[in-house]
Amino acid sequence: DGGITQSPKYLFRKEGQNVTLSCEQNLNHDAMYWYRQDPGQGLRLIYYSQIVNDFQKGDIAEGYSVSREKKESFPLTVTSAQKNPTAFYLCASSIGTGNGYTFGSGTRLTVV
Amino acid sequence: QKEVEQNSGPLSVPEGAIASLNCTYSDRGSQSFFWYRQYSGKSPELIMSIYSNGDKEDGRFTAQLNKASQYVSLLIRDSQPSDSATYLCAVDGSQGNLIFGKGTKLSVKP
Repeated sequence: DGGITQSPKYLFRKEGQNVTLSCEQNLNHDAMYWYRQDPGQGLRLIYYSQIVNDFQKGDIAEGYSVSREKKESFPLTVTSAQKNPTAFYLCASSIGTGNGYTFGSGTRLTVV
Repeated sequence: QKEVEQNSGPLSVPEGAIASLNCTYSDRGSQSFFWYRQYSGKSPELIMSIYSNGDKEDGRFTAQLNKASQYVSLLIRDSQPSDSATYLCAVDGSQGNLIFGKGTKLSVKP
């Protein structure tokens, strides 16, 4: 079945450590997105990519980095520069502009 | 800054009643509108999309769009306890991404 897979489901990060969240889709979607969700804050856009080898900063890109070397994959790295990374991270994909998203199951990141 | 506004709730309705969820948006040029359902601790799930003025029905769900008033709503008929969730309204932004409201929490009481 086609879908979008995020891993790991739970992730713990020590202070000063970089961590990478995986996002893989087999829906043949061109566009992929990373959102962060905090309690009461709604979804905030971190980065998005509308085509392979190209990506754009969203509203809260500072402290994060991404790559889009393959259509299927859009990993997110949370760097040590992100001072408050504890949140629920959601990856999504869509067939293109103006279409709804399919979300992965999310990664819950906690700083320890 | 383009915005999507929703009443955070909680909206409480008895089982079998109609739940009415509302959303307003700021960008008059928006063309695509979506409703997502998110259970606690889970990721959002697309339940309705609407692109033109009027009503769109899918089972117990009806989406309503009024572009002149910049207003989109979701009606849930015969509400069930399993409908208890947070409902997110999303509107297309200028850069190909969706802008989400903060969501309305719905509680359906047996």
